[in-house]
Amino acid sequence: DVKVTQSSRYLVKRTGEKVFLECVQDMDHENMFWYRQDPGLGLRLIYFSYDVKMKEKGDIPEGYSVSREKKERFSLILESASTNQTSMYLCASTTVGGQETQYFGPGTRLLVL
Amino acid sequence: QKEVEQNSGPLSVPEGAIASLNCTYSDRVSQSFFWYRQYSGKSPELIMSIYSNGDKEDGRFTAQLNKASQYVSLLIRDSQPSDSATYLCAVNGRGGTSYGKLTFGQGTILTVHP
Repeated sequence: DVKVTQSSRYLVKRTGEKVFLECVQDMDHENMFWYRQDPGLGLRLIYFSYDVKMKEKGDIPEGYSVSREKKERFSLILESASTNQTSMYLCASTTVGGQETQYFGPGTRLLVL
Repeated sequence: QKEVEQNSGPLSVPEGAIASLNCTYSDRVSQSFFWYRQYSGKSPELIMSIYSNGDKEDGRFTAQLNKASQYVSLLIRDSQPSDSATYLCAVNGRGGTSYGKLTFGQGTILTVHP
């Protein structure tokens, strides 16, 4: 069965802290994605990766970076957390090809104080 | 114009009725279309995918695609209170070169009342 896991369900951090969100998939998928979801704004793509060490910016990359050292693991990094980064963060993965489904992790609800 | 637009909702239907959710997209080369269901506080889960014009049925769910009109819809027959959720339309724009990237609509909140 398809499985995408995220390191935390809930996280509370202080402004200025460095925050790591980790995502692991066990489906041998090439492509992995980080989204944030906010009321009224829908799902917005932050970054995605199509291979180990390869990454591309999504629609809202500012204030974020990513790391993909292993195929199964994709990390989202908030270098210096700010209150406007309080959000639900969702990781997803899919295999190559245009018709493949994105499978989502359970999400991390981040609160930055 | 937004790339993927859904009917604004919220949509409220009585139990047992048909719920109709609509989505339009702007990129004519889009090839793959998905409907996700998202319960409050949970992550999206896929309920239907459709790639060819016409209808695709899966249990109480029917997805309809019309590429000429750039329109995709989801019908839920015999709606149940457990169908109450936000429904997200997602479109893959550029086939194999897109790395599986999807563009999501804003979502339509559906409430099925007993």
